[in-house]
Amino acid sequence: DVKVTQSSRYLVKRTGEKVFLECVQDMDHENMFWYRQDPGLGLRLIYFSYDVKMKEKGDIPEGYSVSREKKERFSLILESASTNQTSMYLCASSLVDFGVNTEAFFGQGTRLTVV
Amino acid sequence: DQQVKQNSPSLSVQEGRISILNCDYTNSMFDYFLWYKKYPAEGPTFLISISSIKDKNEDGRFTVFLNKSAKHLSLHIVPSQPGDSAVYFCAALHRQGAQKLVFGQGTRLTINP
Repeated sequence: DVKVTQSSRYLVKRTGEKVFLECVQDMDHENMFWYRQDPGLGLRLIYFSYDVKMKEKGDIPEGYSVSREKKERFSLILESASTNQTSMYLCASSLVDFGVNTEAFFGQGTRLTVV
Repeated sequence: DQQVKQNSPSLSVQEGRISILNCDYTNSMFDYFLWYKKYPAEGPTFLISISSIKDKNEDGRFTVFLNKSAKHLSLHIVPSQPGDSAVYFCAALHRQGAQKLVFGQGTRLTINP
């Protein structure tokens, strides 16, 4: 059974803290993604990685960085957390070969609250 | 610049009837489209996809239609069931490009008994 695991379901952090969100997949997928979900805005892509140590900015990368040192692990880093980063964070992974009914698999999400 | 748009934030349908969810895109390079379903406090789950070489794909109660000239796709659910109540997202990517998977804003579907 395929699996994308996010390290925490719920997190509460203080403004200015450095925050690490971890994501691990066990499917040997090349692509990994980080999104945030906010009401009325859908899922917005923060960063995307297509291989180890390779990354591309998504639509809203400001205030975030990422790290992919191993193929199975993709970390999202909030350098200095702010209240406007309170959100649901979702990690996903996929193969690079999108054929018939190929999908991106999602983790269960991390609800981050910055106070 | 919203490349994938779902213009209906919500939709209410009677149980047993057809649910039609719509999605528009602006980037003509997109060649693969997916629909996801999401319950609160869970990650999205994949429903169905379609590539740009087809105009229809069917899987059980779910059918996706693609109109490339109009840059429009729709998801049909027949018959609608109470368990279908969720938020539905469409997504798109360019398979030969950077493969950034881009999502719409979502449509909340409510199935009424």
